[in-house]
Amino acid sequence: AQSVSQHNHHVILSEAASLELGCNYSYGGTVNLFWYVQYPGQHLQLLLKYFSGDPLVKGIKGFEAEFIKSKFSFNLRKPSVQWSDTAEYFCAVNARYNNDMRFGAGTRLTVKP
Amino acid sequence: KAGVTQTPRYLIKTRGQQVTLSCSPISGHRSVSWYQQTPGQGLQFLFEYFSETQRNKGNFPGRFSGRQFSNSRSEMNVSTLELGDSALYLCASSLGVAGSTDTQYFGPGTRLTVL
Repeated sequence: AQSVSQHNHHVILSEAASLELGCNYSYGGTVNLFWYVQYPGQHLQLLLKYFSGDPLVKGIKGFEAEFIKSKFSFNLRKPSVQWSDTAEYFCAVNARYNNDMRFGAGTRLTVKP
Repeated sequence: KAGVTQTPRYLIKTRGQQVTLSCSPISGHRSVSWYQQTPGQGLQFLFEYFSETQRNKGNFPGRFSGRQFSNSRSEMNVSTLELGDSALYLCASSLGVAGSTDTQYFGPGTRLTVL
């Protein structure tokens, strides 16, 4: 079964700083990759997803992620964070056509105004 | 379009009791998945239902069960509650089977506290 690891538990940045959150997965087959965000008091929302094609995926709110197959990685990036990006970010993967969605432990992002 | 709804939003039970949680997917969605979220274990997959059939099940004891109705609404049942079952239970729906290219949309969750 696949597993997902997120490298950072808590990241603290100042506004306008650049963000990169690491995500690695272990699975030998074809996977679907996701980043979800959970704002304080709100439910999980999809930021972006990768199924195939261009490995650089653009999502909502200026986020993007790059799939590097050789490194089994799907890192999330944003060039300039805002205070409103304060939230918990989850990387998730499932094997194609098999829902056993595995989530990483999550990274809590705090953006200081 | 209305999102995924879950009822109740909060629940307090005592050890040994059983509980039933409900999830109404987005209209037209046929797949419903359930997850447990705890501070220690994070988000863990419980099971997925598609067209009233359980397609996949996570690594949880048999006390956790579910079902899906013909209108795609789903219920999750936990019997003989234990303190460790205290968690946020999330439901997610998608148009097609989970694992396809369809996005899963999550509900707000049911916060279960077991005393």
